Amino acid sequence: QVQLQESSPGLVKPSETLSLTCNVSGYSTSSGLYWGWVRQPPGKGLEWIGSILHSGTVYYNPSLKSRVSISVDTSKNQFSLKLRSVTAADTAVYYCASREPSEFIYWYFDLWGRGTLVTVSS
Amino acid sequence: YELTQPPSVSVSPGQPARISCSGDPLPNHYAYWYQQKPGQAPVLVIYKDTERPSGIPERFSGSSSGTTVTLTISGVQAEDEADYYCQSADSNGSSWVFGGGTKLTVL
Repeated sequence: QVQLQESSPGLVKPSETLSLTCNVSGYSTSSGLYWGWVRQPPGKGLEWIGSILHSGTVYYNPSLKSRVSISVDTSKNQFSLKLRSVTAADTAVYYCASREPSEFIYWYFDLWGRGTLVTVSS
Repeated sequence: YELTQPPSVSVSPGQPARISCSGDPLPNHYAYWYQQKPGQAPVLVIYKDTERPSGIPERFSGSSSGTTVTLTISGVQAEDEADYYCQSADSNGSSWVFGGGTKLTVL
């Protein structure tokens, strides 16, 4: 059974870098189709942050592209998100997400972490 | 691009609920639907416009017509009260978008 679990930094100060890690169990990050991050500000909808494909290609939401980076560490079986120069507008629940093993490449997430609330405040 | 959903839909138990999602790319790209209950992560309920993942009740179905896709819940139950989001992406996965979400209230 594949499970995803986000790390929990909790509180980040304005202008600093938000760093999150998603630990993957039950499946190898070296085999996955793609891995991604989605966030949800309190009381608001879902926002795609970006995805990293099995090939290593990374795609980002244009609205965040200048501040975000996503990477995979296959040796630790985890993938990570870094968001630089955060402001209060970056306060949200952050989800890591992926796909069940499949031979078909369609773009959706059917595996989700539980989510972790990150608050940006001094 | 954007996907547009109604903010809210209300139905009585046992009645059908239909949630629409509109966007220009939808005739060319698949849509996906997620259910999200308070305090929980989203759950995929429909993929590739009309396919239902294993474990999702048969009362959930999807359809597509032109620039609009629709999630239908036939015979709504109290446990279906949740937020529902549509999502789509371009052909190489370089650009994803979620609809604004629809709050389904079971009266």
